[in-house]
Amino acid sequence: GNSVTQMEGPVTLSEEAFLTINCTYTATGYPSLFWYVQYPGEGLQLLLKATKADDKGSNKGFEATYRKETTSFHLEKGSVQVSDSAVYFCALKIKAAGNKLTFGGGTRVLVKP
Amino acid sequence: GAGVSQSPRYKVAKRGQDVALRCDPISGHVSLFWYQQALGQGPEFLTYFQNEAQLDKSGLPSDRFFAERPEGSVSTLKIQRTQQEDSAVYLCASSLERGANTGELFFGEGSRLTVL
Repeated sequence: GNSVTQMEGPVTLSEEAFLTINCTYTATGYPSLFWYVQYPGEGLQLLLKATKADDKGSNKGFEATYRKETTSFHLEKGSVQVSDSAVYFCALKIKAAGNKLTFGGGTRVLVKP
Repeated sequence: GAGVSQSPRYKVAKRGQDVALRCDPISGHVSLFWYQQALGQGPEFLTYFQNEAQLDKSGLPSDRFFAERPEGSVSTLKIQRTQQEDSAVYLCASSLERGANTGELFFGEGSRLTVL
C-alpha cells in the first residue's frame, strides 16, 4: 500500500535556526509529493509540492526536493521564525489510485524567540 | 466566506447518538473530500465527491458512516450510533478541479467530535 512516514515531534528550535523535517514514503505507483502546514487555529494549507523526481518545491523560505532514489521529500528552512510554529504534514497522491491524499502523522514545530 | 466552512466546530455526543457534520466548500469547487484525524495523527481519507457523485467511499470505516452532497455543493457527513472510537476531528476539503489533480486541497478548520 501507500504510506508516508515523517519524524515525530515536537521539534523545538530557536529563532533563526535551521529546520529539517524528514519524510519518506512507500508507494505502489509514481506519486506526487506535498507538504501541508497547519497553523494554530487554522485549517491545513498547501505549503509546497513536487510532481516528479528531482523537482524542488519551494515557498515561504521552505524547500523540499523529490528524491526518488531514497523515496524521500525532506522539508528544510534555513532560518526559522516564531511564525513558523505549526504542525507540518507530508503527503502523497497517486493519480492511478484515486484522488485522495495519503498523509504522514504530522510533525509539530515550536520556534522560540 | 471565502474559505471552507464546517459546522459545528465542536460536538459532544453520548454513545449511541447520531450526529451530522456539515461542510460548505468554496463556491464553485467541484471536488470535495472528508478526512478523519485522530488526536496526534495525520488525516485519514474517508470519502470523495465530484459534484454530487460520490466516487470513492473506500475510507468510510463502517456502515454507520454516511456522506452525501445532493446538489453538488454543501455536504453532510452522518455518523449513526456513535462509538467512542469515532472521537476525532473530521476535516472537509475542497478543490476547484475534477479529481483535484494538482493536489491542492483547501481545508476547513474541522469539526471536533467527542463521544462519551
